[in-house]
Amino acid sequence: AQTVTQSQPEMSVQEAETVTLSCTYDTSENNYYLFWYKQPPSRQMILVIRQEAYKQQNATENRFSVNFQKAAKSFSLKISDSQLGDTAMYFCAFIHLTGNQFYFGTGTSLTVIP
Amino acid sequence: KAGVTQTPRYLIKTRGQQVTLSCSPISGHRSVSWYQQTPGQGLQFLFEYFSETQRNKGNFPGRFSGRQFSNSRSEMNVSTLELGDSALYLCASSLGAGTAYEQYFGPGTRLTVT
Repeated sequence: AQTVTQSQPEMSVQEAETVTLSCTYDTSENNYYLFWYKQPPSRQMILVIRQEAYKQQNATENRFSVNFQKAAKSFSLKISDSQLGDTAMYFCAFIHLTGNQFYFGTGTSLTVIP
Repeated sequence: KAGVTQTPRYLIKTRGQQVTLSCSPISGHRSVSWYQQTPGQGLQFLFEYFSETQRNKGNFPGRFSGRQFSNSRSEMNVSTLELGDSALYLCASSLGAGTAYEQYFGPGTRLTVT
């Protein structure tokens, strides 16, 4: 069975600081994609960053970067220079390369404190 | 380009009733997926439709069903509602089926069963 675990239900960070959200997953497959989605209080979920498992280089999108450790099945999200607009629920998600179904974690609620 | 829209945004039903939720994907998108979001459970996959055919189904009882129309709009139906069906129901659309395509989420329908 495929599972995604986010062990931090809630986190907070001071504005302009850096925060790291953790995610681990379990799969017996070798080829897959990993994602971080952001769900602000308005509820519209948006894609933050995506990582292909076959790529060794960690994905980066502006202030967002990941630390992908394939052997450890770990996929953490680092947010640099945190902004108030980063306050949201963050979901880690996983799908096999040939899969049909996304598996989501339970989410981490991040609050950026001014 | 208009985003994914879901109607209604809020719904209150009583146990035993049935409900139909609607999702209009982004123009040109042919795949629609449905998710149930509850606190502590994260997002759980319900089903995915592509070109009017159900491609995949999650582990939900047969009370949950869906369909997709020729214009890619999708409906989800829940019969014989239970209190545990109270949740935010999200739909997501993508250009095609499979991992190569980014999912775009709608704002969700908040269903409350009393």
